[in-house]
Amino acid sequence: EAQVTQNPRYLITVTGKKLTVTCSQNMNHEYMSWYRQDPGLGLRQIYYSMNVEVTDKGDVPEGYKVSRKEKRNFPLILESPSPNQTSLYFCASSLRSRSPLHFGNGTRLTVT
Amino acid sequence: AQSVTQLDSQVPVFEEAPVELRCNYSSSVSVYLFWYVQYPNQGLQLLLKYLSGSTLVKGINGFEAEFNKSQTSFHLRKPSVHISDTAEYFCAVSDQGGSEKLVFGKGTKLTVNP
Repeated sequence: EAQVTQNPRYLITVTGKKLTVTCSQNMNHEYMSWYRQDPGLGLRQIYYSMNVEVTDKGDVPEGYKVSRKEKRNFPLILESPSPNQTSLYFCASSLRSRSPLHFGNGTRLTVT
Repeated sequence: AQSVTQLDSQVPVFEEAPVELRCNYSSSVSVYLFWYVQYPNQGLQLLLKYLSGSTLVKGINGFEAEFNKSQTSFHLRKPSVHISDTAEYFCAVSDQGGSEKLVFGKGTKLTVNP
């Protein structure tokens, strides 16, 4: 089944403790992206990747890192999480940029 | 840079009533337009898309949208809604050239009441 898989679904952590949210797609998509969803703000793009080893900042990249060493994986790294990064995070992929996106089921992160 | 405005943050309707969710965009170039739906506790899924050609686009679950270039709008419609259509709906726009960015609106929460 074609899908984007994010893990974990739920994560509670403390300020400053490094964490990684994994994202994997099995559709051989070139384009991958991370979004955060906050009430009243909709979806805002954090980082995106056009292909392996090519990543770029979205609208709200501060406090986040990504890597794209393999085509299928696009992990989101929070080196030192802060409470303002409490949010619902979505990974998405598409055949190429501007193609329709396929979304994961989301990761709800709480930073205390 | 392009932007998207969804004019209603919440739309309550009764079952079997028609609904229209409004979306306006701004862009200096030609665009691709999308509507995505998010059911509770799930990720977003594509409802329909406009890339080129006919301005009336049909999507899944009986939804359709009309691209109006002069009014820079892409409103979503359904003639008769069901309880199961309760969800949040997002309009998104991407330039056909230049920036690769897909910009989302802030969403419209549709609640269908019995």
